[in-house]
Amino acid sequence: DAKTTQPPSMDCAEGRAANLPCNHSTISGNEYVYWYRQIHSQGPQYIIHGLKNNETNEMASLIITEDRKSSTLILPHATLRDTAVYYCIVRVASTRGSQGNLIFGKGTKLSVKP
Amino acid sequence: DAMVIQNPRYQVTQFGKPVTLSCSQTLNHNVMYWYQQKSSQAPKLLFHYYDKDFNNEADTPDNFQSRRPNTSFCFLDIRSPGLGDAAMYLCATSRDPPGMGRETQYFGPGTRLLVL
Repeated sequence: DAKTTQPPSMDCAEGRAANLPCNHSTISGNEYVYWYRQIHSQGPQYIIHGLKNNETNEMASLIITEDRKSSTLILPHATLRDTAVYYCIVRVASTRGSQGNLIFGKGTKLSVKP
Repeated sequence: DAMVIQNPRYQVTQFGKPVTLSCSQTLNHNVMYWYQQKSSQAPKLLFHYYDKDFNNEADTPDNFQSRRPNTSFCFLDIRSPGLGDAAMYLCATSRDPPGMGRETQYFGPGTRLLVL
């Protein structure tokens, strides 16, 4: 089962920052927070991941709270092409069994509107 | 340039008629995955290959099989498709095996399977 909770949907105005929250209150010390997104009729696309520190790349920023129980994905200037389902995934760094698999939850459907 | 290629994008088969979906990759990654995504649901892992080692998820039906003849190609075989197997099938690759916690998976565009 997914270990994360996300709002089912969000709207964002084009050009504004999109802030997508994720709760992962049962996260363990060796678990990473990953974000993927899936644009309609396409395969999921990796966005960013982090362990403890905030991370930034060309697509987005990831802010992880100090207690690591929640995080926020920030798209600084959302465009219409950012309309997608955004998945927050917690996964452990372990080679045992299926512990390291990507387990997708329901995600947040982000709609960027003109 | 496409890195994970799935053909065809749409596949129609008949109830009970075996079907094979194809995936190829130009990334030279060690791991290849197959996911099933039913309408309005999240992707669900079926199995993966780490090099030649096959790793099946516990709840993957026996009706689903996979082959990886070489690094670049991986096939999903559905022996006797039922109406409930209609879904998008996603192939993904990663350089490192799942469980290291750091590896990124790269997904193909998917093949949408319709069962008549």
